Amino acid sequence: GENVEQHPSTLSVQEGDSAVIKCTYSDSASNYFPWYKQELGKGPQLIIDIRSNVGEKKDQRIAVTLNKTAKHFSLHITETQPEDSAVYFCAASIQAGTALIFGKGTTLSVSS
Amino acid sequence: SAVISQKPSRDICQRGTSLTIQCQVDSQVTMMFWYRQQPGQSLTLIATANQGSEATYESGFVIDKFPISRPNLTFSTLTVSNMSPEDSSIYLCSVGVRPNTGELFFGEGSRLTVL
Repeated sequence: GENVEQHPSTLSVQEGDSAVIKCTYSDSASNYFPWYKQELGKGPQLIIDIRSNVGEKKDQRIAVTLNKTAKHFSLHITETQPEDSAVYFCAASIQAGTALIFGKGTTLSVSS
Repeated sequence: SAVISQKPSRDICQRGTSLTIQCQVDSQVTMMFWYRQQPGQSLTLIATANQGSEATYESGFVIDKFPISRPNLTFSTLTVSNMSPEDSSIYLCSVGVRPNTGELFFGEGSRLTVL
């Protein structure tokens, strides 16, 4: 089955810096790659996603890139703010309608 | 998106007891899943809740331990049976609103502590 690796496990940045989180997946059939943000005591919230027919997608300060050949995708957060501090999870699914397989998460800390 | 309500939000349970978690969605959804998140860990898929039929369990999870019901397209329950301290986790209901997109939305979770 699918396996998703995520790095780094923790990331500390200064406010205003950029943060990059990387994930790799094992199953070349995977075609949907979302990113979730989880704040303490809350459920994961979808923040951005990308599909296999797209190489890059941007939404204000966050962007996701996908390299299908290398089977990896990354989350980029620019101009980080303290409220970006949370745990971020990448995930992959083999096809629409199936469950997501998650990476182990990255704890992002943004200090002011 | 969808509004997902889980009950209870948290509970403290005694070893050997069972607890049923409810997941209510404000609209009909085709896909419904149950995940477990152990403290400080990632999300692990327990099962797919199938409407009107038996749930589909992932490796390492069995129906006797985690019976699931899904009587309609807006509601599901997960029971954690014969609990032990190792079952202390957050249990999350997840739904897919649009089946062809793969997007999943999560409830706030039910935090169980087993003593």
